[in-house]
Amino acid sequence: DAGVTQSPTHLIKTRGQQVTLRCSPKSGHDTVSWYQQALGQGPQFIFQYYEEEERQRGNFPDRFSGHQFPNYSSELNVNALLLGDSALYLCASSRTGQPNTGELFFGEGSRLTVL
Amino acid sequence: DAKTTQPTSMDCAEGRAANLPCNHSTISGNEYVYWYRQIHSQGPQYIIHGLKNNETNEMASLIITEDRKSSTLILPHATLRDTAVYYCIAPYSGAGSYQLTFGKGTKLSVIP
Repeated sequence: DAGVTQSPTHLIKTRGQQVTLRCSPKSGHDTVSWYQQALGQGPQFIFQYYEEEERQRGNFPDRFSGHQFPNYSSELNVNALLLGDSALYLCASSRTGQPNTGELFFGEGSRLTVL
Repeated sequence: DAKTTQPTSMDCAEGRAANLPCNHSTISGNEYVYWYRQIHSQGPQYIIHGLKNNETNEMASLIITEDRKSSTLILPHATLRDTAVYYCIAPYSGAGSYQLTFGKGTKLSVIP
């Protein structure tokens, strides 16, 4: 049973560019959340998708957008990249329907470097 | 804002029990306490969660005080592979979903 998979694992962009990160949730999960983790910090919640809609959003600007597909996979898009967007981007999947333990399964992350 | 506070770092001798404390004096009566850990360069990993009763699974035990103002995660026999950052979290739960607010966690170093 594959867990949460993310791609790409590493990428380098320059300021002003756009990036798309991808996530496939764990089998049986219908909800995808995205987190940003800067170096030395804990992960920060960006947003969560369920039934192809953004259900919750953290304190991130509109440059951060996402999408969820019918197969529950998800994309995170970041426009007009800033140096401060350099971070590890984590995808987490969970199940909204029952049983719902609130447990999140995280992927290994996509390491974005903005030059 | 994070609802939990944890020590910045701790050391534990290999083979001994690691006891990681967490204060959460402001959580409400129906808010669970979750523990995750993050080994270097990996995504966070769920460990255990509880409401008011002590919980145990194959990874750890969770002891929650009767007043629910604090808890302790216990790794009974710490190994070098348990070296990680441990996060104590009281997630926001709305619309059937869970939003985790991570603090800086406790960096546990298991010493040979």
